Amino acid sequence: DARVTQTPRHKVTEMGQEVTMRCQPILGHNTVFWYRQTMMQGLELLAYFRNRAPLDDSGMPKDRFSAEMPDATLATLKIQPSEPRDSAVYFCASGPLTDTQYFGPGTRLTVL
Amino acid sequence: GESVGLHLPTLSVQEGDNSIINCAYSNSASDYFIWYKQESGKGPQFIIDIRSNMDKRQGQRVTVLLNKTVKHLSLQIAATQPGDSAVYFCADTRGTSYGKLTFGQGTILTVHP
Repeated sequence: DARVTQTPRHKVTEMGQEVTMRCQPILGHNTVFWYRQTMMQGLELLAYFRNRAPLDDSGMPKDRFSAEMPDATLATLKIQPSEPRDSAVYFCASGPLTDTQYFGPGTRLTVL
Repeated sequence: GESVGLHLPTLSVQEGDNSIINCAYSNSASDYFIWYKQESGKGPQFIIDIRSNMDKRQGQRVTVLLNKTVKHLSLQIAATQPGDSAVYFCADTRGTSYGKLTFGQGTILTVHP
């Protein structure tokens, strides 16, 4: 069955390094979301796209985070430079024209 | 709902019992509600949804009840199984703010064999 895929599943990096996370949404879904999950904050919406255009990125620290959709099959979330406080699980989700969102397995990021 | 992180509510049940997980939401304009299940190390998995023009919806072993008067949502799981053990999140959104789901803090369900 169709699923959202994310790579890498785990990433350990050092402070100051660039991190790129990738997501392949479910084919045919026109809306893609990036979330971050931590114990302290729970699930936070970082940004989302519709038909590859960014609709809202108000949840994302603009100085170091960037999100793009180079094409309909790929969404990227980049952190440059990374900081220890960015350590979290980052989820991508995609949805069709209805409101339901389907989540990927997540990327667990650890910044040392 | 509002995400508050630590100290998630917990619910422990015996296998075969029925479980009821509750959620309060804050936005009276919300018109779409979703329940997700998240197992350890996995992403949230869609369980069931309901729109504000309904007060009850049933799925396979699950029922969602919506009380708009008191802004309350519940998820009922019939004949709970060990595989149902997970964190359960409710989420809500306004139709005009599609995509901006607001997640509740989550409830940890533990099913004992």
